[in-house]
Amino acid sequence: AQSVAQPEDQVNVAEGNPLTVKCTYSVSGNPYLFWYVQYPNRGLQFLLKYITGDNLVKGSYGFEAEFNKSQTSFHLKKPSALVSDSALYFCAVRDKYGNKLVFGAGTILRVKS
Amino acid sequence: DTAVSQTPKYLVTQMGNDKSIKCEQNLGHDTMYWYKQDSKKFLKIMFSYNNKELIINETVPNRFSPKSPDKAHLNLHINSLELGDSAVYFCASSQGPSSHYGYTFGSGTRLTVV
Repeated sequence: AQSVAQPEDQVNVAEGNPLTVKCTYSVSGNPYLFWYVQYPNRGLQFLLKYITGDNLVKGSYGFEAEFNKSQTSFHLKKPSALVSDSALYFCAVRDKYGNKLVFGAGTILRVKS
Repeated sequence: DTAVSQTPKYLVTQMGNDKSIKCEQNLGHDTMYWYKQDSKKFLKIMFSYNNKELIINETVPNRFSPKSPDKAHLNLHINSLELGDSAVYFCASSQGPSSHYGYTFGSGTRLTVV
């Protein structure tokens, strides 16, 4: 069965500093990996995905994520955090033949000025 | 031009009532989903329809009944509402059940059962 783990309930970072939100996955076969962001009282918005190819994936709002097959990780990163990046971030995975996205528990990102 | 729209946005109702949530997508997607987000923000899939056919039916009480009149609509009817049904329900769509394009989500319906 496919699953993702987001080991941190919350990540705190100062504005202007780099940020990392961690995600590890478990699937049989090659994974399709996604990051979504949820702002308060809003739906989930797509940030980026890894399907195949380059291990470094660039997405919306300056975010990027690095796929690491040996560590089964897909950490979300941004070189310089903004206060407006404060939100709830979800990692999700689907295996190649699966028909649903399975989400992690979410990580709250707080960026302080 | 909302891609995935849900109505109502908020729903407060008493235990034992029956209620429906509606979802419509204008993206031309073939597959639609219902997810439940609980008070701890955990997201769990409930149902999925592909071209009006049910393809995912997770372990959900049979008080919950989805209906897809066409591939652009997926409604969720809940009978005999219980306190534990209080949650945010998200509708989503994708190009296909195995699509690698990810999902487009609606803004959610916050259901409160009192």
